[in-house]
Amino acid sequence: KAGVTQTPRYLIKTRGQQVTLSCSPISGHRSVSWYQQTPGQGLQFLFEYFSETQRNKGNFPGRFSGRQFSNSRSEMNVSTLELGDSALYLCASSLGDGYNEQFFGPGTRLTVL
Amino acid sequence: GQNIDQPTEMTATEGAIVQINCTYQTSGFNGLFWYQQHAGEAPTFLSYNVLDGLEEKGRFSSFLSRSKGYSYLLLKELQMKDSASYLCAVREGDDKIIFGKGTRLHILP
Repeated sequence: KAGVTQTPRYLIKTRGQQVTLSCSPISGHRSVSWYQQTPGQGLQFLFEYFSETQRNKGNFPGRFSGRQFSNSRSEMNVSTLELGDSALYLCASSLGDGYNEQFFGPGTRLTVL
Repeated sequence: GQNIDQPTEMTATEGAIVQINCTYQTSGFNGLFWYQQHAGEAPTFLSYNVLDGLEEKGRFSSFLSRSKGYSYLLLKELQMKDSASYLCAVREGDDKIIFGKGTRLHILP
């Protein structure tokens, strides 16, 4: 069974631009969560989608948004990029419905110059 | 508010035992996870506890005390490949998972 895939793996943008990251969950998984990981803050929860609906949201500004498609693939968008948005963005999929284990993708390394 | 505390770094010797502690203060507790993350890689699932007690899985065990807001991960017969960061995470509600900042474990030969 294929794992969680994320594209692109690396991205370089400049301040003020916007970016869209993509995550394809494991087949059959309906829940996709997004995290931002930085050396100083660790893994921080952005949001979680289940069956195309945002079910949970972390404490990030409105510049961070996401969506989920009917095939469970998810995208997250960051608008008006800031230097502090440079981070590893990880998505994780799970069956949802209370199942415990999350499977992480390899992440997208975003650098904002 | 949410608060998950774990030591920043620990060092242990190959073949020994190490215990990584995690304390938490969250609302709507619905389970605690431990993940392992090697440098440059994504986290991988180690264990999940929702009831008090010890869960053993090979060389790794995880303990939970909900009344104390406390968990630990116990690693036995340490191997060099166990050098990694260990992340404690708490689930609130359905699927919102809050991570601690992780404990970087160094294994010495």
